[in-house]
Amino acid sequence: DVKVTQSSRYLVKRTGEKVFLECVQDMDHENMFWYRQDPGLGLRLIYFSYDVKMKEKGDIPEGYSVSREKKERFSLILESASTNQTSMYLCASSQPGGGGGSEQFFGPGTRLTVL
Amino acid sequence: AQSVSQHNHHVILSEAASLELGCNYSYGGTVNLFWYVQYPGQHLQLLLKYFSGDPLVKGIKGFEAEFIKSKFSFNLRKPSVQWSDTAEYFCAANTNAGKSTFGDGTTLTVKP
Repeated sequence: DVKVTQSSRYLVKRTGEKVFLECVQDMDHENMFWYRQDPGLGLRLIYFSYDVKMKEKGDIPEGYSVSREKKERFSLILESASTNQTSMYLCASSQPGGGGGSEQFFGPGTRLTVL
Repeated sequence: AQSVSQHNHHVILSEAASLELGCNYSYGGTVNLFWYVQYPGQHLQLLLKYFSGDPLVKGIKGFEAEFIKSKFSFNLRKPSVQWSDTAEYFCAANTNAGKSTFGDGTTLTVKP
């Protein structure tokens, strides 16, 4: 059974702290993604990676960075957390596109609260 | 830029009612389309997908969706909803590069 795991389900941090969110997938997928999910705004892509050490900005990369040193692991970093980064963060993985249509597999999410 | 719009933010139905959730996308090239569902307290999971062939696709739990290329639409349907269908539903579109654009989501509440 395919699995995407995230390091924490709930996290509370203070403004200005550096925050690390970890994601691991066991499906040998090439692509990995970080989204934030806010009510009424759907899923917004922060960053994605299509290979080890490769990354591309999504729609809302400001205030975030990522790291992908190993194929199975994709980390999201908030260099200096702010209250407007309070949100649900979802990690996902997929195989590259092509004729098959690449569905994404999601982790359970991390609910981050920044005080 | 690619975009996906879902017509309804919140839909409330009684059990056994029919469901149709609208989804339109804007992208001129080849696009793969998906509906994902998020049940309360659970992961987002795939409901169904379209990438080629028969424009009427069937998914899990009796859901289906129809791809109408001329209307850039991919509406989700179910003839008779159940209380257990209460969830948030997301339409998504992606290119063969594998990156998806999601709609804002539709919250479906089914009253028993």
